[in-house]
Amino acid sequence: EPEVTQTPSHQVTQMGQEVILRCVPISNHLYFYWYRQILGQKVEFLVSFYNNEISEKSEIFDDQFSVERPDGSNFTLKIRSTKLEDSAMYFCASRNKGLYNEQFFGPGTRLTVL
Amino acid sequence: AQSVTQLDSHVSVSEGTPVLLRCNYSSSYSPSLFWYVQHPNKGLQLLLKYTSAATLVKGINGFEAEFKKSETSFHLTKPSAHMSDAAEYFCVVRGGGADGLTFGKGTHLIIQP
Repeated sequence: EPEVTQTPSHQVTQMGQEVILRCVPISNHLYFYWYRQILGQKVEFLVSFYNNEISEKSEIFDDQFSVERPDGSNFTLKIRSTKLEDSAMYFCASRNKGLYNEQFFGPGTRLTVL
Repeated sequence: AQSVTQLDSHVSVSEGTPVLLRCNYSSSYSPSLFWYVQHPNKGLQLLLKYTSAATLVKGINGFEAEFKKSETSFHLTKPSAHMSDAAEYFCVVRGGGADGLTFGKGTHLIIQP
């Protein structure tokens, strides 16, 4: 069964460094998403991406974040200058065309900022 | 704007007994509602979804949920708990023209042998 994959599973970085989290969505999906879950808190929507552009973003998704689909398979989230409060689990998701189709989630990348 | 309230942070049941995980939602428009499950060190897996068709929705692993508009609820049930059901369960809403999902805080389901 096709699935969303994410790498790395765990990333440790120093405050102020740039990180790139990678995702491979399900191959025929057209909509891509990033969510984050700070330890002990809710899963929060960050951004959605369709047709090579951001279609929706939350207040959390400020100028330090960016997303990109550099090729036909990868979908990345870049954090330019990490802060301690960026430490969280980051989930990638994708879905197929069709308003009621569900989002399929990857296993997540745990980001730890020291 | 949408919101989701999961009324219990932890639920503990004995194996073989019924499970009830409660969820109330708020949405300005007709919402789509989902339950996702997360097992330790795994991604979020869809259990079931409601998208304005039948109000009683059946999902995987014997779970089902009933959409009650008058009560703004979407409670998750299972007649008989199994040890493998131990996990974190999230009630999720999508609505108001937004594509991003709004999650509840999650309910940790514990199954006692």
